[in-house]
Amino acid sequence: EAQVTQNPRYLITVTGKKLTVTCSQNMNHEYMSWYRQDPGLGLRQIYYSMNVEVTDKGDVPEGYKVSRKEKRNFPLILESPSPNQTSLYFCASSYLAGHLKYLTDTQYFGPGTRLTVL
Amino acid sequence: DAKTTQPPSMDCAEGRAANLPCNHSTISGNEYVYWYRQIHSQGPQYIIHGLKNNETNEMASLIITEDRKSSTLILPHATLRDTAVYYCIVRVSNVFNAGGTSYGKLTFGQGTILTVHP
Repeated sequence: EAQVTQNPRYLITVTGKKLTVTCSQNMNHEYMSWYRQDPGLGLRQIYYSMNVEVTDKGDVPEGYKVSRKEKRNFPLILESPSPNQTSLYFCASSYLAGHLKYLTDTQYFGPGTRLTVL
Repeated sequence: DAKTTQPPSMDCAEGRAANLPCNHSTISGNEYVYWYRQIHSQGPQYIIHGLKNNETNEMASLIITEDRKSSTLILPHATLRDTAVYYCIVRVSNVFNAGGTSYGKLTFGQGTILTVHP
C-alpha cells in the first residue's frame, strides 16, 4: 500500500532533550516536506527536500534540522526542543505529473505526530 | 498564489450530493485549483485538481466556471466519513520552478467544515 509513515505518533518530552521524528514513504517520490499545524495558523512548511542530499528551508525552519540521505526517508530533528514547538507535525511526499510548464504535484501526507514539549 | 474564499461551514444529509463552493477571482492563467480535505487531526488528503476543464475521479467532481473565477467540489453521495475540513487551494502549475521557498508548498486557508449528518 502506498503510504507515508511517521514515528512516533505521539510524543511528550521536556525542554532541551533532543528528539527525532522519522518520516518514510514507499512511493519513490523525490519531493518530501515537513509541516507543522497550529490552531488558527494553518499548515506552515518547515523544511522541504527536492531529492537526496537536497534540502531547503520553508517558512518556519528555526529550531529544526532535516536530512535526506536516502530517497525514502526524511527525518525531522529538534536539537533542543522548546515549548513553542509543541504542535502537530505532518510529513508529506509528492510526485509530479504533466509536462513542461504544466507540471502539477499531488502531495501525500503522513498521519501526523503530536508533539508536546514541557 | 491566488487567494481563495470558502464558506466557513456547510451541512449535508448522508447520501445526498455535497456541493462545496470556492471563489478565486484573482486566479491567473497558469494556476490550478486543488482540493484537499482533513479529517479531524489526520493528515490532509488530496481529492482532485483541475485547470479549466471539469474533472472527475473516484472521490469527487470538480466544476470550474468558464471564467475560472470560481469552482465547486462535488461529493456525489456524501457519507458520514466525508465529514472534514475541505480546502480549496490555487497554485501555479509549474510549482517546482516557482522560485524562493515556495517549491511544492501548500498554503491552506480556513477551509469549509463539512458536516454530513444521518
